[in-house]
Amino acid sequence: EAQVTQNPRYLITVTGKKLTVTCSQNMNHEYMSWYRQDPGLGLRQIYYSMNVEVTDKGDVPEGYKVSRKEKRNFPLILESPSPNQTSLYFCASSPLGGGSSYNEQFFGPGTRLTVL
Amino acid sequence: AQKITQTQPGMFVQEKEAVTLDCTYDTSDPSYGLFWYKQPSSGEMIFLIYQGSYDQQNATEGRYSLNFQKARKSANLVISASQLGDSAMYFCAMKPGGFKTIFGAGTRLFVKA
Repeated sequence: EAQVTQNPRYLITVTGKKLTVTCSQNMNHEYMSWYRQDPGLGLRQIYYSMNVEVTDKGDVPEGYKVSRKEKRNFPLILESPSPNQTSLYFCASSPLGGGSSYNEQFFGPGTRLTVL
Repeated sequence: AQKITQTQPGMFVQEKEAVTLDCTYDTSDPSYGLFWYKQPSSGEMIFLIYQGSYDQQNATEGRYSLNFQKARKSANLVISASQLGDSAMYFCAMKPGGFKTIFGAGTRLFVKA
């Protein structure tokens, strides 16, 4: 089954304790992205990647890191989480076929993170 | 500034009626894509419909159609014959010029029986 998986689905942690949220897709997509969803703000893009070793900042990258060492994986790293990073996080992927970057994105199920 | 605006935080519609969810966008890129996604209460994000900036015709997908008015920079979603299962959060999104994606704040739709 074609899918984007995220782990963990739920996480409660404390300020300053490094954490990683994993994201993996089995569709051989070039493009992957991380978003955070907050009430009243919709989804905001954190980082995106066009392919292996190619990443760029979205609109809210502060406090986050990413890496793309393999095409299928795109982990999100919070090196020193703070309470304002409490949010619902989504990973998404899409192909970049035909020279177009306008393909629909396939989303993971989301990770609900609480930082105390 | 590149931005998506959804001015309706919440909307009600009677079952079997049509409803229009508003979306306006702002970009200086001549090439862009516009998307609508649905987020039911279970939380997953579901792709509904796509419109390219150079597409001459409005996009349609089943009961969903996109009313694209380029000069007004609007990309409203029209849902025909609403069903109870259409109750959800709806997000308009834009990919201006390629790789970044910008979402609106969303509209919560309630379908009444």
